[in-house]
Amino acid sequence: EAGVAQSPRYKIIEKRQSVAFWCNPISGHATLYWYQQILGQGPKLLIQFQNNGVVDDSQLPKDRFSAERLKGVDSTLKIQPAKLEDSAVYLCASSLVRKTGELFFGEGSRLTVL
Amino acid sequence: DAKTTQPPSMDCAEGRAANLPCNHSTISGNEYVYWYRQIHSQGPQYIIHGLKNNETNEMASLIITEDRKSSTLILPHATLRDTAVYYCIVSHDTNAGKSTFGDGTTLTVKP
Repeated sequence: EAGVAQSPRYKIIEKRQSVAFWCNPISGHATLYWYQQILGQGPKLLIQFQNNGVVDDSQLPKDRFSAERLKGVDSTLKIQPAKLEDSAVYLCASSLVRKTGELFFGEGSRLTVL
Repeated sequence: DAKTTQPPSMDCAEGRAANLPCNHSTISGNEYVYWYRQIHSQGPQYIIHGLKNNETNEMASLIITEDRKSSTLILPHATLRDTAVYYCIVSHDTNAGKSTFGDGTTLTVKP
């Protein structure tokens, strides 16, 4: 079974530039999450989707971050404009609707903002 | 969701059992205990979860105290590949993804 796919694995940009991350969840997983993980800390939830609807985006900095999950499968997370403090690993995870405690994570996209 | 407390770091000798504690004194009756681990440069990996009873799978055992206020993850024969950050989270089964991961315990397995 294919796992959660994320790209790019690494991205370096300058502050005020924009960046987009892509996630393809495990087939059949209706629930999708984006997390931000700053070095030395645990993952912090940014947004949760169920199918193509947003369940929770209370922790998403909406002035610069946006996310979408068109057609209820792939998802993109965008940052525009990026700040230095956005340097982190962005993790995507998916789960079945009825077993949302068992999350399957991708390898993450590491962002460095200079 | 209840908050968890874990020691920041632990060491374990290769081949010995690694016992990782987690305190979750404010856990409610229908919240599960989940354990994940994160090996360097990878995403977190689900290990095991439980509600009241002890659980065992091919990766680990989970011991939950009778009052459910704490638990211990046991890796019976730790290997160097078990070196990772281990996260204990508490959540309702319906939405563990919203739980706070905390900073976890960094387990270092030494030869």
